[in-house]
Amino acid sequence: QQQVKQSPQSLIVQKGGISIINCAYENTAFDYFPWYQQFPGKGPALLIAIRPDVSEKKEGRFTISFNKSAKQFSLHIMDSQPGDSATYFCAANLFTQGGSEKLVFGKGTKLTVNP
Amino acid sequence: DARVTQTPRHKVTEMGQEVTMRCQPILGHNTVFWYRQTMMQGLELLAYFRNRAPLDDSGMPKDRFSAEMPDATLATLKIQPSEPRDSAVYFCASGFRVPRDRGSPLHFGNGTRLTVT
Repeated sequence: QQQVKQSPQSLIVQKGGISIINCAYENTAFDYFPWYQQFPGKGPALLIAIRPDVSEKKEGRFTISFNKSAKQFSLHIMDSQPGDSATYFCAANLFTQGGSEKLVFGKGTKLTVNP
Repeated sequence: DARVTQTPRHKVTEMGQEVTMRCQPILGHNTVFWYRQTMMQGLELLAYFRNRAPLDDSGMPKDRFSAEMPDATLATLKIQPSEPRDSAVYFCASGFRVPRDRGSPLHFGNGTRLTVT
C-alpha cells in the first residue's frame, strides 16, 4: 500500500516530441504528489508537484495530470529537449496527524531525448 | 544558492569497517531525511528527523545502522559493521515543514557513493 508504481522504466524520445511517464498508487492517504528530476552524479531535484484536489498543473513545458478516482498521475514533457535527458521519479507523500510523513518514490524512468 | 552538503562524495571500504556519512542541511530547514538509492530498490527512506528528533527510522536496519543529529547543522548516518550489500548511494535531503503545509520541497544533496568490498 505504500508503493508507487512507475512506468516505463526507460523512454527514448526525439527532440521536439512529447515524453509521458505514468505512475499509480494504492494508498488514498497520499495527499501530495511531486516529481523529481535527477541527473547523473546529482541528487534528485523537485520539478513540479500536485495535490489531489487539482486535476492538472502546468509549469512551462512540464504538466502533471492527476486522476484521483483511478489513483494515477502522469508527467508530460512537451517539446522534449536533449537537456531533459535525465531520470525522473514520481513520488507520493503521506502526512499523519502526528506530524510525521512518508515520501515514497517510484523506481524511476530514464529519459533519453535524441537530437 | 543554498545547498545540502554531503561528505564524503565517495567512500570505498572493506567489509566490517565502520562508515560515517555526514550531511549539512540547508540553514533554517527543520526536517532531514536519509535515503538510499540502488538500481534494484530505487530510493528507499532510511530515517528522518524533525527539529533534530528522530521521527521515523523504520526503514533502517537497526542492528548496523544508526542516524543522529548532534546539532541543527549536522546529520550523520553510520554503518557498523559495513557489508557489501550496503553498497549504494546515500542521499540526505532537507526541508522546512510547518503544520498543514504540504507544498514545501525537499532539497537533496549530491549523495555519498559507498562501495563495500
